Amino acid sequence: QSALTQPPSASGSPGQSVTISCTGTSSDVGGYNYVSWYQQHPGKAPKLVIYDVTKRPSGVPDRFFGSKSGNTASLTVSGLQAEDEADYYCTSYAGSNNLGVFGGGTKLTVL
Amino acid sequence: QVQLVESGGGVVQPGRSLRLSCETSGFTFSNHGMHWVRQAPGKGLEWVAVIWYDGSKKHYADSVKGRFTISRDDSKNTLYLQMNSLRAEDTAVYYCARDISYYSDDSWGQGTLVTVSS
Repeated sequence: QSALTQPPSASGSPGQSVTISCTGTSSDVGGYNYVSWYQQHPGKAPKLVIYDVTKRPSGVPDRFFGSKSGNTASLTVSGLQAEDEADYYCTSYAGSNNLGVFGGGTKLTVL
Repeated sequence: QVQLVESGGGVVQPGRSLRLSCETSGFTFSNHGMHWVRQAPGKGLEWVAVIWYDGSKKHYADSVKGRFTISRDDSKNTLYLQMNSLRAEDTAVYYCARDISYYSDDSWGQGTLVTVSS
């Protein structure tokens, strides 16, 4: 399985919105509604912020929004706050006989 | 509350073995798929191995296939990763994580560092 494609970096000013893309294939992102997004601060374990494309775990603010179109999933963070500065990784289910795949990660900078 | 605590990491010479453990509490372990994820220094996340809730399926990254074995002991609420024939490129922080829906891991351990070096 090839890694999903994410932009290496993204940025926005406080209060603005930013969208991070995650491009796969019809064998992963496009084939299933099982895309997840993780936020990781330096030295910390990843934190799930979106799962099943659009669902937010309890405690994740509704500023985090997930979507998908074809083979590309997206994470939108609105009302950017300083604490949103982190690395973000997407991942997708790739079928019952395959391991999931991660994207390479996107470093989000809040200017 | 849900807790996952990894142990077993350390410094090991190339070619040697190590077994990681992940002790869990606060949830019904046997109801959840469990995962090992690693992160090499300065690099991204990588799925290493996954085991379904009932142990019926296991999947491995190509880079560890044939060398690593994931297992679970539901009587002890513990997940394991047996790592054999370790290589320098296996150096990473290893996390265990609880799956709630197809690679959606809502709870993670603190990670354990494995360093493979002579």
